[in-house]
Amino acid sequence: GAGVSQSPSNKVTEKGKDVELRCDPISGHTALYWYRQSLGQGLEFLIYFQGNSAPDKSGLPSDRFSAERTGGSVSTLTIQRTQQEDSAVYLCASSPLSGRATEAFFGQGTRLTVV
Amino acid sequence: AQKVTQAQTEISVVEKEDVTLDCVYETRDTTYYLFWYKQPPSGELVFLIRRNSFDEQNEISGRYSWNFQKSTSSFNFTITASQVVDSAVYFCALSASGGSYIPTFGRGTSLIVHP
Repeated sequence: GAGVSQSPSNKVTEKGKDVELRCDPISGHTALYWYRQSLGQGLEFLIYFQGNSAPDKSGLPSDRFSAERTGGSVSTLTIQRTQQEDSAVYLCASSPLSGRATEAFFGQGTRLTVV
Repeated sequence: AQKVTQAQTEISVVEKEDVTLDCVYETRDTTYYLFWYKQPPSGELVFLIRRNSFDEQNEISGRYSWNFQKSTSSFNFTITASQVVDSAVYFCALSASGGSYIPTFGRGTSLIVHP
């Protein structure tokens, strides 16, 4: 498809387990963002990739969170030793070029539930 | 630092009523971009409009209109003659150089349109 694709759409995991969330951005988009949306909250920025530059990790809430982007395309967000407060919808978005003057295109998100 | 405030958590209207969603932003940058997104129950954020800081012209698109006022740091969104399909969460966002052009989102306003 032509849009941003995220998988899985839903993930239930036990506290303490590691999880990996995947994002396939729109082909050709150089900017990729990860956000977290908790119930009743806005979108919390997590990490930003732009081309071959070092990612902006300033939004990652703890060292249990990490992300990588391979070949300037697919990105994986990993959460180690999951906690109940990690339960949220994780949204991925991409945009062309630097992204600043263009809108971000969002995927449908991965709903993570930690039990 | 940049910030977006959407003071209205939830708005409930009856179909055909007009409704205005408020957005107030904070940034020290003179060049910045403002956005509105719609998040229907399906979950995927959909881009509605982008405005740069040098263009204060109001915009109308069908039943949607946007009022950008730099003097009050506001970028309000009005839906005229609301319809049930307008029911969604609406997010206002800001990107500016001070934030590396990473979009900062408000907490969103949930609009419920009753038939």
